[in-house]
Amino acid sequence: AQSVAQPEDQVNVAEGNPLTVKCTYSVSGNPYLFWYVQYPNRGLQFLLKYITGDNLVKGSYGFEAEFNKSQTSFHLKKPSALVSDSALYFCAVRDGASGGSYIPTFGRGTSLIVHP
Amino acid sequence: DSGVTQTPKHLITATGQRVTLRCSPRSGDLSVYWYQQSLDQGLQFLIQYYNGEERAKGNILERFSAQQFPDLHSELNLSSLELGDSALYFCASSVGLAGGSEQYFGPGTRLTVT
Repeated sequence: AQSVAQPEDQVNVAEGNPLTVKCTYSVSGNPYLFWYVQYPNRGLQFLLKYITGDNLVKGSYGFEAEFNKSQTSFHLKKPSALVSDSALYFCAVRDGASGGSYIPTFGRGTSLIVHP
Repeated sequence: DSGVTQTPKHLITATGQRVTLRCSPRSGDLSVYWYQQSLDQGLQFLIQYYNGEERAKGNILERFSAQQFPDLHSELNLSSLELGDSALYFCASSVGLAGGSEQYFGPGTRLTVT
């Protein structure tokens, strides 16, 4: 079975400061990991993914995420937050094991609020 | 713009009624997913189609059904509507069936049942 957890409902950060949105996962095989962002009244937008290779993945809008196999984490980061980054962020995981689900499991989402 | 289109954007209807939500995937994408998003339940997977065939089912009620047509567009039918069905309904598409394919989401249909 696959599962994902986003331990924080909300993250507050000042503009210009680094931000981190946390995600941990559980799978039986190798994980396929994704981050999506949802702005108010919009659909989810794909930010980045980890399939294999370099543990640091770079994505859209200056975001990056670090895959840590030993801690089963895939935290989303940005060196300098912008007010326009304020949105709802979703982590998702798909189990790469043989016979694994075709359907990713999404976390509950973390609301990121960047203060001016 | 993700390339996924959904109609209508908003839908207001009464309890007991039936509605149809429509989705056109990105050009070239064969896989279509339907999700329901509500404040208390988060993002719930409903059903997936791949190249016209149903491939996975999630928490989809028996009152709900879906299909994918030969031109790859999909429709989600919701019947005997209840107040609790009020939610945002998203369609997403991806190139492949499994593996590392990311999903592209449409703008959603906001359903309000009164």
